[in-house]
Amino acid sequence: DAGVIQSPRHEVTEMGQEVTLRCKPISGHDYLFWYRQTMMRGLELLIYFNNNVPIDDSGMPEDRFSAKMPNASFSTLKIQPSEPRDSAVYFCASSLPGYSYEQYFGPGTRLTVT
Amino acid sequence: DQQVKQNSPSLSVQEGRISILNCDYTNSMFDYFLWYKKYPAEGPTFLISISSIKDKNEDGRFTVFLNKSAKHLSLHIVPSQPGDSAVYFCAASAWGGKLIFGQGTELSVKP
Repeated sequence: DAGVIQSPRHEVTEMGQEVTLRCKPISGHDYLFWYRQTMMRGLELLIYFNNNVPIDDSGMPEDRFSAKMPNASFSTLKIQPSEPRDSAVYFCASSLPGYSYEQYFGPGTRLTVT
Repeated sequence: DQQVKQNSPSLSVQEGRISILNCDYTNSMFDYFLWYKKYPAEGPTFLISISSIKDKNEDGRFTVFLNKSAKHLSLHIVPSQPGDSAVYFCAASAWGGKLIFGQGTELSVKP
């Protein structure tokens, strides 16, 4: 299995632009998580889905952030408009049915907003 | 309001010796605890976990201890190897799927 796939690996954009991060979970996993890692706040959960349905989005920082999961094999995290404080590493993770604690992480997308 | 705390940002040990990484938590509702390991430019990888009904779980060189009364858990690595050099995160959950992570401890194992 290829593991969790994220794209792009690196993204540099200017303030005000729309940014879309993509994630393909491991086949057969029914939980999908989006995390953000910063020096100040560490690794924090933004949102997670179960069977493509958003379960908890309380970690989404503000309305500029949105996430979708149109099917079991694809999810996006969108920031519109982006701001310099959004600069971070964004991770996607997935887990097996009944094993939501043991999450498999992708390699992350390093986002830089100038 | 940090519910999971790793107070040591870094730890250095000699190869072959024991590494002990510590983690404290504040929420008594947490019922499952995990340790993840992270290398640079990679995502965290699951290492070992423990349910709140246990006080110890062992997997090869890795052992996790849980002291519920002290709200403290620790990860022991014996013997430590240079390949164990990484950032270690502890995480806790009370809501089935939602993990709260500590800030991480960077372990350096010197040959």
